[in-house]
Amino acid sequence: AQSVAQPEDQVNVAEGNPLTVKCTYSVSGNPYLFWYVQYPNRGLQFLLKYITGDNLVKGSYGFEAEFNKSQTSFHLKKPSALVSDSALYFCAVRENTGGFKTIFGAGTRLFVKA
Amino acid sequence: GAGVSQSPSNKVTEKGKDVELRCDPISGHTALYWYRQSLGQGLEFLIYFQGNSAPDKSGLPSDRFSAERTGGSVSTLTIQRTQQEDSAVYLCASSSGSSGVRGQFFGPGTRLTVL
Repeated sequence: AQSVAQPEDQVNVAEGNPLTVKCTYSVSGNPYLFWYVQYPNRGLQFLLKYITGDNLVKGSYGFEAEFNKSQTSFHLKKPSALVSDSALYFCAVRENTGGFKTIFGAGTRLFVKA
Repeated sequence: GAGVSQSPSNKVTEKGKDVELRCDPISGHTALYWYRQSLGQGLEFLIYFQGNSAPDKSGLPSDRFSAERTGGSVSTLTIQRTQQEDSAVYLCASSSGSSGVRGQFFGPGTRLTVL
């Protein structure tokens, strides 16, 4: 069965510093991987995805994520954090088997301090 | 429509009552999902519909929960004999494409409070 782990409940980073939000996954076969963001009092928004091709994928708001098959990881990164990046981030995985069932991680709360 | 809509936005009910939550997906999206987000928790997958295929109900927590999707569009999530632990935000999402890999579009959610 597919699963996702976000090992950090919370990540704190100073504005201007690089940030990383970790995600590891377990699926049968090749995965589809996603990151979503939930800002305070707003709905979930799609951030980026990995389907195939380049291991480094770029998404909205300057975020990027690196797919590492050997480590089964898909960490979210940004070179320079903004206070406005403070939000709840969810990693998600779907098996490449034709279905649409998507499993979400528990979420990581990012705090960016000015 | 322009996005996924859900109604009602808030629902307060008494323990033991039945509730119905509605989701209008983006027009043309073949896949529809229901999730539950409890306070301080992540998203818990409940059920998904894909076209005319049988739905995947593997995430429904008990037989008090059921969902329908009529005409491949609107979906209703029904919770019978509600319990206090059912209190959560219920999120609906839809997606399109031959493999659904363009990401899911989420509705604003229905906040359910069971007293």
